[in-house]
Amino acid sequence: KAGVTQTPRYLIKTRGQQVTLSCSPISGHRSVSWYQQTPGQGLQFLFEYFSETQRNKGNFPGRFSGRQFSNSRSEMNVSTLELGDSALYLCASSLDPSSHEQFFGPGTRLTVL
Amino acid sequence: GNSVTQMEGPVTLSEEAFLTINCTYTATGYPSLFWYVQYPGEGLQLLLKATKADDKGSNKGFEATYRKETTSFHLEKGSVQVSDSAVYFCALRDDKIIFGKGTRLHILP
Repeated sequence: KAGVTQTPRYLIKTRGQQVTLSCSPISGHRSVSWYQQTPGQGLQFLFEYFSETQRNKGNFPGRFSGRQFSNSRSEMNVSTLELGDSALYLCASSLDPSSHEQFFGPGTRLTVL
Repeated sequence: GNSVTQMEGPVTLSEEAFLTINCTYTATGYPSLFWYVQYPGEGLQLLLKATKADDKGSNKGFEATYRKETTSFHLEKGSVQVSDSAVYFCALRDDKIIFGKGTRLHILP
């Protein structure tokens, strides 16, 4: 069974641009969560989607948004990029929100210049 | 709110040494507890988990016991290998996963 895939793996943008990251969960998994990982703040929860609905949201500004499609694939979007948005963005999938175990993708490394 | 605190790294040990990485948590209710590992250039992998008090999670020689009375979930391994070099994250899950800051582990041959 294929694991969680994230595209692209690496991305370089400039301040003020916007970016869209994609995540394909493990087949059969319907819950997708997104995390931001930085050296200073560690791993921080962004949001969780289940059945195309956002169930939970972390403490990030409205520039960060996401969505989930009917096939459970998810995208996250960051508008008006800032230097501080440079990070590794990790996606994790699970069967459903009550599942204890989440499976992580390799991440997308975003660099904002 | 809920939180996870784990020991600061980096931790440097010689091969075959005994490992302990401390983790304590603050939570309302009884969350599930996890240790994740991140190898260089990779995403996170679940190492072990415990879903209720006194449960012991174990995998690949690593162990951790869910201690409600001390709100702890310390990670231990009796004999570490060079291949165990990675960053280890303690985490809890209530309605979302909350991670500790991570502990970088270096094992010297």
